[in-house]
Amino acid sequence: EVQLLESGGGLVQPGGSLRLSCAASGFTFSSYSVTWVRQAPGKGLEWVSVLSGSGGRTHYAESVKGRFTISRDNSKNTLYLQMSSLRVEDTATYYCAKGRWGAVSDPFDSWGHGTLVTVSS
Amino acid sequence: QSVLTQPPSASGTPGQRVTISCSGSSSNIGDNYVSWYQQLPGTAPKLLIYSSNQRPSGVPDRFSGSKSGTSASLAISGLRSEDEADYYCATWDDSLSGYVFGTGTKVTVL
Repeated sequence: EVQLLESGGGLVQPGGSLRLSCAASGFTFSSYSVTWVRQAPGKGLEWVSVLSGSGGRTHYAESVKGRFTISRDNSKNTLYLQMSSLRVEDTATYYCAKGRWGAVSDPFDSWGHGTLVTVSS
Repeated sequence: QSVLTQPPSASGTPGQRVTISCSGSSSNIGDNYVSWYQQLPGTAPKLLIYSSNQRPSGVPDRFSGSKSGTSASLAISGLRSEDEADYYCATWDDSLSGYVFGTGTKVTVL
């Protein structure tokens, strides 16, 4: 059974940094693309970033480009999202999700339960 | 501001058929497959449809997807109370080099 477990969320001040982790199990982690999607309270889904199965391709939403960095450690079956220069508008529940195959444009067929990031002074 | 437009709400009585539209452009829906996600209250999204009209195993055949040009749609037939949820379309956008989600549609079972 595929499982994705996010951690690392919490309260951070504007301008601060935070690193989210997503521990994966139940599939060959290195073979699939992985992505981060966020959802602000009471709002819709917003795609944040994706990393291909090989790790060679990354893409970011304009809203986070230059501030967030996606990475993966295939030896630990873990996906990361390093967030810096955080803004109030980054407040959201952050979900990690697994791509159905290995490409960055794949749909997301398994999701974690999410971790809440609150940016506030 | 999303580049994929959905109606904010849709509703029907049990047993009815409900259709949700998703309007995009040539750089997203026009050139890529569409996926649909169901988000029940307080839970993570779940993949309902991929490759515009394919269902993952375990998704009832009451859910169906289609795509034509720069628009896509999700149909729910035989509506049930457990179908009350938010539904999102999504696809890759070649111009943005990123994934885009629709604005979301809240389905209510009357």
